[in-house]
Amino acid sequence: EAQVTQNPRYLITVTGKKLTVTCSQNMNHEYMSWYRQDPGLGLRQIYYSMNVEVTDKGDVPEGYKVSRKEKRNFPLILESPSPNQTSLYFCASSFRASTSEQYFGPGTRLTVT
Amino acid sequence: AQSVAQPEDQVNVAEGNPLTVKCTYSVSGNPYLFWYVQYPNRGLQFLLKYITGDNLVKGSYGFEAEFNKSQTSFHLKKPSALVSDSALYFCAVRDMSAAGNKLTFGGGTRVLVKP
Repeated sequence: EAQVTQNPRYLITVTGKKLTVTCSQNMNHEYMSWYRQDPGLGLRQIYYSMNVEVTDKGDVPEGYKVSRKEKRNFPLILESPSPNQTSLYFCASSFRASTSEQYFGPGTRLTVT
Repeated sequence: AQSVAQPEDQVNVAEGNPLTVKCTYSVSGNPYLFWYVQYPNRGLQFLLKYITGDNLVKGSYGFEAEFNKSQTSFHLKKPSALVSDSALYFCAVRDMSAAGNKLTFGGGTRVLVKP
């Protein structure tokens, strides 16, 4: 089944404790992206990757890191999480960045206390 | 800078009645427009897109949307709503002139279809 998977689905952590949210897609997509969803703000892009080894900042990159060492995986790293990073996070992928629709993972609900 | 506006936080409609979810956009170049739906505790699912061609686009689950360039709108419509259509709907625009072909989402509209 074609899908985007994220882990963990739920995470409660404390301020400053490094964490990684994994994202993997099995559709051989070139483009991958991370979003955060907050009430009333829709989805805001954190980072995106046009292809392997090419990543760039989205609208809200502060406090986040990503890497794209292989096509299928695009982990999101929070080196020192803070309470304002409490949010619902989505990973997405598409065949290409332009005309293709994005496929979204199921989401990761992160709470930072 | 590109932007998307969904002027209604919530739309209430009776089952069987027509459903419309409004979306207006602003881009500097040609827009690529998308609609996504989010059911509770799920990721977003693609409904339909406008890239070029016919202004009326048909998508999944009986939804359609009309691209109106002069009004910079891309409203989502369904002739006869179902209770199962109750969900959160997002409009998104991609500006091909923006770095990374950035996709910008609206704030979302919650649709509640009552039996």
